[in-house]
Amino acid sequence: NAGVMQNPRHLVRRRGQEARLRCSPMKGHSHVYWYRQLPEEGLKFMVYLQKENIIDESGMPKERFSAEFPKEGPSILRIQQVVRGDSAAYFCASSPHERSPLHFGNGTRLTVT
Amino acid sequence: TQLLEQSPQFLSIQEGENLTVYCNSSSVFSSLQWYRQEPGEGPVLLVTVVTGGEVKKLKRLTFQFGDARKDSSLHITAAQPGDTGLYLCAGATGTASKLTFGTGTRLQVTL
Repeated sequence: NAGVMQNPRHLVRRRGQEARLRCSPMKGHSHVYWYRQLPEEGLKFMVYLQKENIIDESGMPKERFSAEFPKEGPSILRIQQVVRGDSAAYFCASSPHERSPLHFGNGTRLTVT
Repeated sequence: TQLLEQSPQFLSIQEGENLTVYCNSSSVFSSLQWYRQEPGEGPVLLVTVVTGGEVKKLKRLTFQFGDARKDSSLHITAAQPGDTGLYLCAGATGTASKLTFGTGTRLQVTL
């Protein structure tokens, strides 16, 4: 079974550009979570989605960040007009049920130059 | 804001030594999970503890959840170089979706 797949693994963007990060959950998992890990820091919750619904976005910055999990296709985390402070590793995790342990992907490392 | 403090932050030991990593909070969690993360990879779940006072063993790793469900510890016996990595505790309140991660303990085990 394939695990949680994230792409790209590395993404370089100039200030002001848009970054799109994709996450395909494990087969049979309908719950997707995005976390951000800044250098030398722990993981911080950003958003929790189920198919076509945002359940909890309390960790998402109010501006420039958005997430979706469409009926078909991967979950997308979109960052508009990136700034240097957005440079981080972004991890996606999935689970089959709300209270199940999370399975993490290997992350997308975003570098803003 | 819930915070999980881990100590020590860094630990460098020799193969065969024992070690304990602590995870402390002022908040109560419904469950607590321990993950290990290697460079360039995502966290991998080691164990979930749910009941206050619970002790779980995974080969040379022993996990304990505090009676009040506010703290946890990870004890490794006879550490091996393969144990090297970043150890993260994460607490859940209510649902498992919104995990609060600890600050991490970076362990290096040398020959």
